[in-house]
Amino acid sequence: DTGVSQNPRHKITKRGQNVTFRCDPISEHNRLYWYRQTLGQGPEFLTYFQNEAQLEKSRLLSDRFSAERPKGSFSTLEIQRTEQGDSAMYLCASSLKTGTPNTGELFFGEGSRLTVL
Amino acid sequence: DAKTTQPTSMDCAEGRAANLPCNHSTISGNEYVYWYRQIHSQGPQYIIHGLKNNETNEMASLIITEDRKSSTLILPHAMLRDTAVYYCIAVSSGTYKYIFGTGTRLKVLA
Repeated sequence: DTGVSQNPRHKITKRGQNVTFRCDPISEHNRLYWYRQTLGQGPEFLTYFQNEAQLEKSRLLSDRFSAERPKGSFSTLEIQRTEQGDSAMYLCASSLKTGTPNTGELFFGEGSRLTVL
Repeated sequence: DAKTTQPTSMDCAEGRAANLPCNHSTISGNEYVYWYRQIHSQGPQYIIHGLKNNETNEMASLIITEDRKSSTLILPHAMLRDTAVYYCIAVSSGTYKYIFGTGTRLKVLA
């Protein structure tokens, strides 16, 4: 068990550029979550998947954000036409949904920090 | 999903019990109470969760009131390394969607 892996750990980009983050969940975890966190705030829910199906995307999330999990394993989060307000830590988490009772414990990666200049 | 309310910050002396309260007065019957903590610059870490009964593990104890409208996370012997932001979350067993608030910033003092 190597834990949840996120890449890149740091990304600096210019406003207007596209960026993509990758998350490799713990093997066999069928749920995968994306969060965004800014300084002093708790993680903000963005979206989550069960296997390859995207269950929900935050209504507050701009259409510039898109996430995929094509084969139910790794996931990518793409931000198009980045803005300075997108600067944040992007966190990925995974869990194993095993039915009832389900611990539902989330395992988080170390995050990908985005700075938009 | 039920909202939770936590104090913004708390201090605790090292070696003493840290009692972190959480209000979730609108919690529904199928919502669990989960606690996570986040140490500076790391991802949140699971601590404990419960539905109706009190729970204990190697990290902490969770006390849920009989009416389930509030709970308390207890760190029995707080250490300096327990300084972190602690999040209380009500999680539906139907969706398992975790909505984090701003949490309680616990500072353990030497």
